[in-house]
Amino acid sequence: GESVGLHLPTLSVQEGDNSIINCAYSNSASDYFIWYKQESGKGPQFIIDIRSNMDKRQGQRVTVLLNKTVKHLSLQIAATQPGDSAVYFCAETRAGGTSYGKLTFGQGTILTVHP
Amino acid sequence: GAVVSQHPSRVICKSGTSVKIECRSLDFQATTMFWYRQFPKQSLMLMATSNEGSKATYEQGVEKDKFLINHASLTLSTLTVTSAHPEDSSFYICSARDLGTGVVVTYGYTFGSGTRLTVV
Repeated sequence: GESVGLHLPTLSVQEGDNSIINCAYSNSASDYFIWYKQESGKGPQFIIDIRSNMDKRQGQRVTVLLNKTVKHLSLQIAATQPGDSAVYFCAETRAGGTSYGKLTFGQGTILTVHP
Repeated sequence: GAVVSQHPSRVICKSGTSVKIECRSLDFQATTMFWYRQFPKQSLMLMATSNEGSKATYEQGVEKDKFLINHASLTLSTLTVTSAHPEDSSFYICSARDLGTGVVVTYGYTFGSGTRLTVV
C-alpha cells in the first residue's frame, strides 16, 4: 500500500536554528512532490513543490531536496521561527494522467519551535 | 490565488443522523475535487474523487453508500455522511483541481479549511 500515517514524529528546535524534516515516499511512479504545512484545526497549506526532474528547489527560507534513488524527500527551513510550528506533510502524486490531483501523504512531522 | 471554501468548519451531530459538508471553489472551476479524512495525530487519507457530472470514485475501504458525494456544478462538491456513528468523527478536508490553467500543478493543490465532525 501507500504511505500511511499512524504516529507523527516530532522535531523540536530553537528559534533561529535551521530545521530539516524528512520524508520517505513509496511510489516510484510519482513525479511531483509537495510539502504542506498544517496548523491545528486547519487544512494543509502549500509550502513548496518539486518535480522529479529536479534534485533541489529553493523558496523563501525553504529548500526541498529530492533523492529519487532512495525515494527520499526533505524540507529545510532556514532560521526557523515560532510561527513555523505546525505539522509538516510531504505528498506525492503524478503530475498528469488519471492520478493527477490524487495525493498520497506521508506520515507528517510535528515541528515545535521554542523562542 | 485559488481559494477553496469548506462549510461548516465544525459540526456536532447525534449518532444515526446525516451530515452534509460543502466544498466550493471560489475563483476557479473545478471538474475534480478530492475528499480526505484525517484522524487525530494522523496523516490525510484520500477517501474519494469527486467528478463533476458523474459518479465519484472511492478509494478501497471507503463505503460509498455511507459517504455520499455529489458534484453537481463546477464549483461545488458535497460530502454527506449518512447514519453517522462516533467512529466517523474526524477531520474532513477537500481539495480542488483547477479546470485547466495549469497553475494548480505549479502551486500545488488547493485545500479547504476542513470540517471537524463530532458524532455523539
